[in-house]
Amino acid sequence: DAMVIQNPRYQVTQFGKPVTLSCSQTLNHNVMYWYQQKSSQAPKLLFHYYDKDFNNEADTPDNFQSRRPNTSFCFLDIRSPGLGDAAMYLCATSRAGSYEQYFGPGTRLTVT
Amino acid sequence: AQTVTQSQPEMSVQEAETVTLSCTYDTSENNYYLFWYKQPPSRQMILVIRQEAYKQQNATENRFSVNFQKAAKSFSLKISDSQLGDTAMYFCAFTFIFGNEKLTFGTGTRLTIIP
Repeated sequence: DAMVIQNPRYQVTQFGKPVTLSCSQTLNHNVMYWYQQKSSQAPKLLFHYYDKDFNNEADTPDNFQSRRPNTSFCFLDIRSPGLGDAAMYLCATSRAGSYEQYFGPGTRLTVT
Repeated sequence: AQTVTQSQPEMSVQEAETVTLSCTYDTSENNYYLFWYKQPPSRQMILVIRQEAYKQQNATENRFSVNFQKAAKSFSLKISDSQLGDTAMYFCAFTFIFGNEKLTFGTGTRLTIIP
């Protein structure tokens, strides 16, 4: 089945130690999104790629970076995680013009 | 900027009953989509139903239907014959048509179906 895959599902990192979360998709969608979702809150968009074009939200901290080496993969890099970055990170994809996003299962990040 | 408000943080109903989740939104635009997403415990978020603002007819998907009141900017979700598998966080969301397709989510309603 076509899907959005996120690895790892659970990630523990130390304060200040860089961490990378990955997302892959078999849907061949050209738009990919990264959301941060803290406990019992709405997902908050960090950035998205429209094909290779990167779009950063104005309030996304500089600590968060992203890479999209090809259509199928997208990475979220947190350069120096703080305790406040502990959250669920959701990847989503869509086909431009469809207005429907497909979500991965998320990566739960713990910062110790 | 548009906002989405869900005024019911938590709800619970007995299995097989009908439940309605509320959502209001604020926008000055005329062309947009509204969505209800379901996020079960420890599982991925999935789209339940969507409504195009230019359509007057309310969307329906099996046991799920919406009551879309464009003038009132209201978009409620009705779940009929509720099942245990409906237990989840439900998010109302909004996006502009012909925009950047970014979703604006409400704060969610945690729905529990009681056996």
